[in-house]
Amino acid sequence: DTGVSQDPRHKITKRGQNVTFRCDPISEHNRLYWYRQTLGQGPEFLTYFQNEAQLEKSRLLSDRFSAERPKGSFSTLEIQRTEQGDSAMYLCASSLSGDEQYFGPGTRLTVT
Amino acid sequence: GESVGLHLPTLSVQEGDNSIINCAYSNSASDYFIWYKQESGKGPQFIIDIRSNMDKRQGQRVTVLLNKTVKHLSLQIAATQPGDSAVYFCAEGPIQGAQKLVFGQGTRLTINP
Repeated sequence: DTGVSQDPRHKITKRGQNVTFRCDPISEHNRLYWYRQTLGQGPEFLTYFQNEAQLEKSRLLSDRFSAERPKGSFSTLEIQRTEQGDSAMYLCASSLSGDEQYFGPGTRLTVT
Repeated sequence: GESVGLHLPTLSVQEGDNSIINCAYSNSASDYFIWYKQESGKGPQFIIDIRSNMDKRQGQRVTVLLNKTVKHLSLQIAATQPGDSAVYFCAEGPIQGAQKLVFGQGTRLTINP
């Protein structure tokens, strides 16, 4: 257990529904990252926060995706109008102003 | 472009033997490299990292080697144990001030009893 928690661990939803995932980073970590991982592939960067500021977004993050970190602690990732191609593991990581990122267990999304 | 890749998708070794997992990267501007271990159903677990001003770094039973001339990274695991069975990813970052990690595809390591 790295100290990064994610909720839910699994989510099954129907195409077109909205889903929201939560990440709680290690408490003193000021940086928080979201990645997406599909089967057999390495994680792909989606977005990153330093405190409450969202500083970088990947082109993978379409306008159906939105992430927030309102108080600089936990973060949420919302996917609107889900598509089957959104099925993946969504991973959250945190770090303390440095490079060593600690990952949570992930949220596995299945869109039917 | 930015890419990190692995030479072998699978590797099997006998328990107690040493294993070497290789990784090639393409961005010569990368200055930080990390190895992660991922077990089934879990998130990646940090193993060891190395900066570009070093060519070798050792941890507990693990050693990372960096060859910047040929843009090659390797992870050596000594005296492998059944618990070492997992998928291993190399990643590079930060790149040009960005904080994201760029991961390779992964190598599945299987430890045979």
